Amino acid sequence: ELKVEQNPLFLSMQEGKNYTIYCNYSTTSDRLYWYRQDPGKSLESLFVLLSNGAVKQEGRLMASLDTKARLSTLHITAAVHDLSATYFCAVDRAGSSNTGKLIFGQGTTLQVKP
Amino acid sequence: EPEVTQTPSHQVTQMGQEVILRCVPISNHLYFYWYRQILGQKVEFLVSFYNNEISEKSEIFDDQFSVERPDGSNFTLKIRSTKLEDSAMYFCASSVGGRSSYNSPLHFGNGTRLTVT
Repeated sequence: ELKVEQNPLFLSMQEGKNYTIYCNYSTTSDRLYWYRQDPGKSLESLFVLLSNGAVKQEGRLMASLDTKARLSTLHITAAVHDLSATYFCAVDRAGSSNTGKLIFGQGTTLQVKP
Repeated sequence: EPEVTQTPSHQVTQMGQEVILRCVPISNHLYFYWYRQILGQKVEFLVSFYNNEISEKSEIFDDQFSVERPDGSNFTLKIRSTKLEDSAMYFCASSVGGRSSYNSPLHFGNGTRLTVT
């Protein structure tokens, strides 16, 4: 059974600081996603990572994927208050590309303090 | 930018009642999904739907649940006899699907908050 674990589950940080959220998954996966969720809102796609060594950056967020270690990281650079949200990683199983069954991690709630 | 729309945004119902949650996926998308999120917990897959049939469903998606695409635009989730534990946020999602869209994510709607009393 595919399991996805994130850590930390809660992160409080000061503006301007850097930090990394980790996402481990238990079995081979085709794709790894990072989503952002603001309180009471929907899931906004941030990144789709497809291959080993993939790195994508958007603004202050950078995501990477190590398929051998079954690990993805979401790195936050010089955090600002607007980044406060819950961040989810999600994976689908290898060979199941078209079913869309994503397994989500528990989410990491990020709170950026001024 | 096209988006997935869901109605209603909030539904309150009594235990044992039937509810229908509605979704309009993005128009050129071929794959449709329902996920749910119990308050404060992670997002859970319910069902995927392609070519007018269920592609995959989870253990949560038991006989009380059904999905339908009654016309060319709507995609619905029906819960026949709601239970207290069905209270959750239900998200509809869609994707283009297929090899050409291997790197495209699922696009989620804003969700319907279902409260069963």
